[in-house]
Amino acid sequence: GESVGLHLPTLSVQEGDNSIINCAYSNSASDYFIWYKQESGKGPQFIIDIRSNMDKRQGQRVTVLLNKTVKHLSLQIAATQPGDSAVYFCAEKAGTYKYIFGTGTRLKVLA
Amino acid sequence: ETGVTQTPRHLVMGMTNKKSLKCEQHLGHNAMYWYKQSAKKPLELMFVYSLEERVENNSVPSRFSPECPNSSHLFLHLHTLQPEDSALYLCASSQDWTESSYNEQFFGPGTRLTVL
Repeated sequence: GESVGLHLPTLSVQEGDNSIINCAYSNSASDYFIWYKQESGKGPQFIIDIRSNMDKRQGQRVTVLLNKTVKHLSLQIAATQPGDSAVYFCAEKAGTYKYIFGTGTRLKVLA
Repeated sequence: ETGVTQTPRHLVMGMTNKKSLKCEQHLGHNAMYWYKQSAKKPLELMFVYSLEERVENNSVPSRFSPECPNSSHLFLHLHTLQPEDSALYLCASSQDWTESSYNEQFFGPGTRLTVL
């Protein structure tokens, strides 16, 4: 998993398997969270978000789980594909304009 | 063009140079952001503009000077930078409603800056 300020961990997953990327956030009062995907040479791209009044949200092949008790967020990617290879990081809303971003997890998809 | 665009994509400059980074958003948003992304570090918020007014300034050195002439354009003027300023500079925009809004940020591709 990742936490703000730590080195960049790497997750290697076989193509077709499910991926789970974890994130620990800092502020128990945070009410909005986003997962981003960043491919090499590109800016971060929105994947999915979740508000604190939910504990699960599903998108296309992705699911975000929120555990407010332990301040933990996870991103699940079903049937991981080579195109999913990227750095993934979470962000928590810390103010009107401010987000705290995690360092990121590098996902490598093995053929 | 759609989304958020940034120019130039790559920039190499000496410590005594003056250069500017440009960001343009085509999403009709009214808030724009500058972030710095260094290797193995989280995104660092530098500046935020809402309705062309600076609303956030995170203790950024004065050698970085932002400018927001209108809600679609954002500049970052660079002057006498240091080698440690080398990083990816990302621009983002969002729709700004109220303090309680959930305003997803859309990012540009970034400018890869190298200071020699």
